[in-house]
Amino acid sequence: QSALTQPASVSGSPGQSITISCTGTSSDVSGYNYVSWYQQYPGKAPQVIIYDVDNRPSGVSNRFSASKSDNTASLTISRLRSEDEAHYYCCSFTNTNSLETVVFGGGTKLTVL
Amino acid sequence: MQLVQSGAEVKRPGASVKVACKASGFIFTDNNIHWVRQAPGQGLEWMGCINPHSGDTNNVQKFEGRVTLTRDTSIRTAYMELSRLTSDDTAVYYCAKRPPHDYAMDVWGQGTTVTVSS
Repeated sequence: QSALTQPASVSGSPGQSITISCTGTSSDVSGYNYVSWYQQYPGKAPQVIIYDVDNRPSGVSNRFSASKSDNTASLTISRLRSEDEAHYYCCSFTNTNSLETVVFGGGTKLTVL
Repeated sequence: MQLVQSGAEVKRPGASVKVACKASGFIFTDNNIHWVRQAPGQGLEWMGCINPHSGDTNNVQKFEGRVTLTRDTSIRTAYMELSRLTSDDTAVYYCAKRPPHDYAMDVWGQGTTVTVSS
């Protein structure tokens, strides 16, 4: 299974909004409503910020939102803050009728200018 | 809820490594445990997962039988063993759990650094 496609980097200024895309196929992104997004700071473990396409875990800022259309999922971060500077990874769970298979995107480095 | 992994390892090429992932604060057998690795400066790579209740596993074909996922429910611990190590296996290895009704990895271990060097 090939990795999902994300832009290598995005940037924005404080207060602005940015969107990170995540493109897959009918075998993953568009075939299942199980896209999740993870934020990772250098030297730290990833943390989930979105699950099941557009759900935020308790404690995650409502500045983070997500959606999916056909083969592409998207993460939007509104009102950018310096602490948002991190790597972001999309992820799709597939074959969920049996023991699941997972594919990650290549990751996107967000720079807050 | 917490996953605590075993400590860093240094191995020679051709050797095997076994990483432990101890669970606490949740029902171990209700949550699939996933293994993800990250090579230096690279992205996340899914390796496989285990159902702690049944012991069923699903591994990425890429590892051609080098990955063995097991668990010991009596001590709430999952294990990932990787054999025939090469320098390409140098990475941080993470375990993470998926809760029963959602499809995401909601709790991650702190990571275990495995260095393969002659």
